[in-house]
Amino acid sequence: NAGVTQTPKFRILKIGQSMTLQCTQDMNHNYMYWYRQDPGMGLKLIYYSVGAGITDKGEVPNGYNVSRSTTEDFPLRLELAAPSQTSVYFCASGQSGTEGEAFFGQGTRLTVV
Amino acid sequence: GENVEQHPSTLSVQEGDSAVIKCTYSDSASNYFPWYKQELGKGPQLIIDIRSNVGEKKDQRIAVTLNKTAKHFSLHITETQPEDSAVYFCAASSNGQNFVFGPGTRLSVLP
Repeated sequence: NAGVTQTPKFRILKIGQSMTLQCTQDMNHNYMYWYRQDPGMGLKLIYYSVGAGITDKGEVPNGYNVSRSTTEDFPLRLELAAPSQTSVYFCASGQSGTEGEAFFGQGTRLTVV
Repeated sequence: GENVEQHPSTLSVQEGDSAVIKCTYSDSASNYFPWYKQELGKGPQLIIDIRSNVGEKKDQRIAVTLNKTAKHFSLHITETQPEDSAVYFCAASSNGQNFVFGPGTRLSVLP
């Protein structure tokens, strides 16, 4: 059982470049999330989705976009990378309608130079 | 919105001693409080959680207590082992899914 899979694990971007962070889960979870984790800080919610076709902003959505065309996939798009987006990004998924755990991927370490 | 504070930010204990991490939250509507452990280079993993209708929950060497009146909850690890060294995050949620995380506590267990 793969759980939540993120790709790539590492990436270096130049300022102004764009990229997509991929996230897929095989647990048939309705809820999916994108968080960023800065050094010494907790996890900040970027975007989340409660099901295919539905997305909503979290605490820090500026500079990012998401889509949710299928239950399994929840890619995160950076259009014009900025140094402030240097961070570790975590995708997570969870079951809807219950108070249950969120399952996290291994993370993507992104550096914008 | 919800705000979760966590203390201490770093904690060093001798192997075999106990460790306590404390969190406070601001939204009285929060009713689900998970604790996550993050090892180096990995994603956070749930280790224990507690719901608002329960005051304490134990799982082997780990326990969590909740005081809803004071809006704080704590993680207790007894008989610490080197493999307990990690960053621990508390979180709060009012709907069981959208979590607000604390800033984390780096726990070091010294042999």
